[in-house]
Amino acid sequence: QIQLVQSGPELKKPGESVKISCKASGYTFTNYGMYWVKQAPGQGLQYMGWINTETGKPTYADDFKGRFVFFLETSASTAYLQINNLKNEDMATYFCARRVYYGLFRDWGQGVMVTVSS
Amino acid sequence: DVVLTQSPATLSVTPGERISLSCRASESVDTYLHWYQQKPNESPRLLIKYASQSISGIPSRFSGSGSGTDFTLSINGVELEDLSIYYCQQGNSLPTFGSGTKLEIK
Repeated sequence: QIQLVQSGPELKKPGESVKISCKASGYTFTNYGMYWVKQAPGQGLQYMGWINTETGKPTYADDFKGRFVFFLETSASTAYLQINNLKNEDMATYFCARRVYYGLFRDWGQGVMVTVSS
Repeated sequence: DVVLTQSPATLSVTPGERISLSCRASESVDTYLHWYQQKPNESPRLLIKYASQSISGIPSRFSGSGSGTDFTLSINGVELEDLSIYYCQQGNSLPTFGSGTKLEIK
């Protein structure tokens, strides 16, 4: 069965970086892109962008240009989200989701909670 | 960006009821409108795609309708396990999500 398994919770200080992984199984990794979604505590879902798993090309939503980086380790069927220069407002749960068609978030990882605290 | 407005924000229900949740788009999204269920401390789960298409493994009590700017998610006979937050999401342009409707027990 299709699974997206994400890495564990992170506790970081402002200004540090964090790298979150999303390991896919049960399908051919390069056949479907990967979305990233942010959910701040008690809030709704916010689209961050996606990465083309065939070409490695990332596309970022406007709010996530600059400090956010999507990249792949294709041999390991894994997508990564790195957030640099962490700010308090980055404290959230980050989900990966399989992109079956444009705009459709078909399968989701379990989410990674990132806590930013000095 | 397309803004999705969900109503009501919270809905108190009695098990067994038939209920409808609304999602209104700020501009037409055709039928590129999807519904997700998020239970507490879980990731979202796709319930309905393209406004009315069912998803394998989702109970048949969930159904969707609408096109253009007005959409409805219906649950025919709410069960306790349905207590969740329901989000609509449009994929006609840059993806956006509604703010959610929380289902709680009356």
